[in-house]
Amino acid sequence: RKEVEQDPGPFNVPEGATVAFNCTYSNSASQSFFWYRQDCRKEPKLLMSVYSSGNEDGRFTAQLNRASQYISLLIRDSKLSDSATYLCVVNIGGGGFKTIFGAGTRLFVKA
Amino acid sequence: NAGVTQTPKFQVLKTGQSMTLQCAQDMNHNSMYWYRQDPGMGLRLIYYSASEGTTDKGEVPNGYNVSRLNKREFSLRLESAAPSQTSVYFCASSGNRGRREKLFFGSGTQLSVL
Repeated sequence: RKEVEQDPGPFNVPEGATVAFNCTYSNSASQSFFWYRQDCRKEPKLLMSVYSSGNEDGRFTAQLNRASQYISLLIRDSKLSDSATYLCVVNIGGGGFKTIFGAGTRLFVKA
Repeated sequence: NAGVTQTPKFQVLKTGQSMTLQCAQDMNHNSMYWYRQDPGMGLRLIYYSASEGTTDKGEVPNGYNVSRLNKREFSLRLESAAPSQTSVYFCASSGNRGRREKLFFGSGTQLSVL
């Protein structure tokens, strides 16, 4: 079983749609959680951290459910520029080398 | 700000050839990393350096060596390339210690081994 699992997609949505991605992690000792964004043939970049109480950054909302070991990312009012692969990332504690990456969910936003 | 710079961007090798991927960061980060990314898989850690003067194996170290030349630079060497090492390689760095450590990546190297 992969440590961090995501639906690979692709998710194809029209501009303006709301789309949600889910991610599950297997290590109950995981301590911190992130979403990274990766454009085609580019490097991953941090999109947002995920906090236990849930957090929002503009059109993006992240949620964490520790009991179910589940993380979500909600994108409202999708833009063409949101087309990318979204990586669910978990740190199991003790430094950057304890960071585990999911394989990513591909999103295509169409006009 | 350059951030994390890695070279080359593309490389084609024949089986058995050697090469070194270069990485430098200008953010005064302590920790540096080398990852590989293959289709359908998450980024996998090859080697890391938690601080200048130290290096440690990650999840997939076989066939690779690293050198932390100084605080800024961390190189990855393939001594005898194999087709299984065809991948996209990313260098990364991070500066905070602890569980909220955020990674900053270079632009990647597309390596093909024939």
